Amino acid sequence: GESVGLHLPTLSVQEGDNSIINCAYSNSASDYFIWYKQESGKGPQFIIDIRSNMDKRQGQRVTVLLNKTVKHLSLQIAATQPGDSAVYFCAENVQGAQKLVFGQGTRLTINP
Amino acid sequence: DGGITQSPKYLFRKEGQNVTLSCEQNLNHDAMYWYRQDPGQGLRLIYYSQIVNDFQKGDIAEGYSVSREKKESFPLTVTSAQKNPTAFYLCASSLERSNQPQHFGDGTRLSIL
Repeated sequence: GESVGLHLPTLSVQEGDNSIINCAYSNSASDYFIWYKQESGKGPQFIIDIRSNMDKRQGQRVTVLLNKTVKHLSLQIAATQPGDSAVYFCAENVQGAQKLVFGQGTRLTINP
Repeated sequence: DGGITQSPKYLFRKEGQNVTLSCEQNLNHDAMYWYRQDPGQGLRLIYYSQIVNDFQKGDIAEGYSVSREKKESFPLTVTSAQKNPTAFYLCASSLERSNQPQHFGDGTRLSIL
């Protein structure tokens, strides 16, 4: 289930390193997953998606991995840049439902 | 450019007042959604609409109302019954097919005077 609180999980990485942001989902019937990036004061921006019949998908500097056995999703960002600083959300779609369920989010900060 | 426009960016509500948040999209999407975001938390679904003149309650619909008279518009009214309306409100739209990403506007921040 969701945790409630004012403090987001935070990941700090050095500029140029790779970042890995993790997300656990609870519903084994989820068949579609999305990663969003949200900058301060803005709406979430689509990054990449993956369907449950895949276990890996790559985009530009990003890779999403899906492990259905342990219900785990990860977003890898290669060569992290200052512009990658944001809150990252995973979202899942339960098969047959017409709505997404969002995780709490992870704040990514980049150290120079 | 195609996209989703939310207005106003900032909104203030007095006690006992209803306020309406605007959401317009020119993406020709069938489905539209309203979410509430509180500090340090994820998005919670208020209402959604899959087609004109039809909408469904989400997880936190109490104290809110919507209408969907046109495909491109999905306004949200925060009524006086919503006792804790201070939040960041996000509107989204998507194609009406399963497994399609939602695209978001840049939000309206609502505060109490």
